[in-house]
Amino acid sequence: KQEVTQIPAALSVPEGENLVLNCSFTDSAIYNLQWFRQDPGKGLTSLLLIQSSQREQTSGRLNASLDKSSGRSTLYIAASQPGDSATYLCAARMAGNMLTFGGGTRLMVKP
Amino acid sequence: DTGVSQDPRHKITKRGQNVTFRCDPISEHNRLYWYRQTLGQGPEFLTYFQNEAQLEKSRLLSDRFSAERPKGSFSTLEIQRTEQGDSAMYLCASSFKIDKPYGYTFGSGTRLTVV
Repeated sequence: KQEVTQIPAALSVPEGENLVLNCSFTDSAIYNLQWFRQDPGKGLTSLLLIQSSQREQTSGRLNASLDKSSGRSTLYIAASQPGDSATYLCAARMAGNMLTFGGGTRLMVKP
Repeated sequence: DTGVSQDPRHKITKRGQNVTFRCDPISEHNRLYWYRQTLGQGPEFLTYFQNEAQLEKSRLLSDRFSAERPKGSFSTLEIQRTEQGDSAMYLCASSFKIDKPYGYTFGSGTRLTVV
């Protein structure tokens, strides 16, 4: 059974810092890995999707990497802003059709 | 069609009552998923449909839960005889078939509170 873990569970940084969020998974036979953002009381917004054959994806200030062999993915946020404050979730998709989510990292960026 | 729509956004119900939620997926997507998220946790898979066929159900989906997707369009999730443990955010998502690498699109969710 796939298990996904995110570390740290919470993170508080001053505005402007670069930061890394970590995601680890136990079964490396993933189809893809997706990073989501969730604002309080809201649904999930897709940020980046990395296919199993890819090593990284970039969108603006966000860069996600994938290392299947070590069972890890990272989300790098450059020059953080207060508007980046949210919960960030990673989810691994196996050959089936369900996503297995981590518990999320709650990010607070202070002005 | 701008995204996945869920209705209602919030639902407060008394224990023992039945509730029904609706999800309208992105019209081009043929797969529809239901997830449940409790406070401080990541979402957990409940069930998914390809067109009108329900292809997989989690063991989390007890006999009190039923989901339908008539005609392969919108879907409903019904919870019978609600319990306080059913209080959660219920999220719907849709996607293309697995061979199209666009990932999931989630709706804003329905927050259920059972009192």
